[in-house]
Amino acid sequence: AQSVTQLDSQVPVFEEAPVELRCNYSSSVSVYLFWYVQYPNQGLQLLLKYLSGSTLVKGINGFEAEFNKSQTSFHLRKPSVHISDTAEYFCAVSAPYNTDKLIFGTGTRLQVFP
Amino acid sequence: DAGVTQSPTHLIKTRGQQVTLRCSPISGHKSVSWYQQVLGQGPQFIFQYYEKEERGRGNFPDRFSARQFPNYSSELNVNALLLGDSALYLCASRNRDYEQYFGPGTRLTVT
Repeated sequence: AQSVTQLDSQVPVFEEAPVELRCNYSSSVSVYLFWYVQYPNQGLQLLLKYLSGSTLVKGINGFEAEFNKSQTSFHLRKPSVHISDTAEYFCAVSAPYNTDKLIFGTGTRLQVFP
Repeated sequence: DAGVTQSPTHLIKTRGQQVTLRCSPISGHKSVSWYQQVLGQGPQFIFQYYEKEERGRGNFPDRFSARQFPNYSSELNVNALLLGDSALYLCASRNRDYEQYFGPGTRLTVT
């Protein structure tokens, strides 16, 4: 079975500052990894994914994430945040043999201040 | 292209009632999954359907059921509603690159 831990429930940051949202996973098999963003009263939007290959993946809206197998982590980063990045961010994993079953973390609330 | 659509947007039901939620996937997507998101939590997997067959089920009671139609749209049914069923219900469809695209959700309130 897989599980996901998002270590920070809230991350406050000032506009134009860099940010890192942390995600650690647990699995006895290899996994696919995803980051989603959820704006208030909306569904989830896919930011980026890691399936295999290069451990640094780039996504939409200037976000990127790095897969670290030894630390079982998949942290999300952005070098300069905007007010519009204020939202809830979810890390998720799936097993390659069951890609439709996403296991989500509890989410990190990113609050960007002017 | 249109995204995943869900109806209704909001729903208020009384304990013990039954509810049906609907989902239309992105055109060309054959796999549909349902998730329950309780306030303040991440989504929890309920069901996955592919080509009208159930391919996966999460840890939910038998009061929850679903089906998929020949046009790949899907319905989620919940019987004998409990207060704890109040949540945002999300539908997602998947493409061939293992990317799940979520609809806006149906907000169910059970009173």
